Amino acid sequence: DAGVIQSPRHEVTEMGQEVTLRCKPISGHNSLFWYRQTMMRGLELLIYFNNNVPIDDSGMPEDRFSAKMPNASFSTLKIQPSEPRDSAVYFCASSPPGTGYGEQFFGPGTRLTVL
Amino acid sequence: RKEVEQDPGPFNVPEGATVAFNCTYSNSASQSFFWYRQDCRKEPKLLMSVYSSGNEDGRFTAQLNRASQYISLLIRDSKLSDSATYLCVVNRAGGYQKVTFGTGTKLQVIP
Repeated sequence: DAGVIQSPRHEVTEMGQEVTLRCKPISGHNSLFWYRQTMMRGLELLIYFNNNVPIDDSGMPEDRFSAKMPNASFSTLKIQPSEPRDSAVYFCASSPPGTGYGEQFFGPGTRLTVL
Repeated sequence: RKEVEQDPGPFNVPEGATVAFNCTYSNSASQSFFWYRQDCRKEPKLLMSVYSSGNEDGRFTAQLNRASQYISLLIRDSKLSDSATYLCVVNRAGGYQKVTFGTGTKLQVIP
């Protein structure tokens, strides 16, 4: 079975540009999480969805960040405009129903560099 | 106080040694607990859940101490391939569930 799929795997962009990260969760999973990881702050939860509905977006840094989940098989995280401090690895994870949010399956991540 | 705290390490241990990590959590409402493993430049992967009665999976043993609010991971007979960062995860129930990852403990197994 395919795991969580993220694209692109690497993104280099210039400050001020719009960045869109994409995620396809594992089929049948009903929860989806977006994380950001840096050396300084570790793994930070940005937002999570349950049954396509955003449940907690308190981790979204500011209005420049937005996330959508239009259907059960696709989600996007958008940064507009991007800034150098947004440089990080962004992970998407999904979780199956009935297991509790602690059992998460991560995608390979998108390594974002903002120049 | 952070919701989940781990000693960042690194723990440098020789092959064959036994090593243990602790992870403390601050919210007594926390209900479920997990250990994840993250290799360098890779995604975190679920290693094992932590049950109230403790659980073992091969060389790995996880335990929960609710009274002192910590979980532990014991690795016996360390292998070079165990070198990684180990993240503890705490799941808090309530109006909505909240999952918090610790910052991880780095383990380096030395030949």
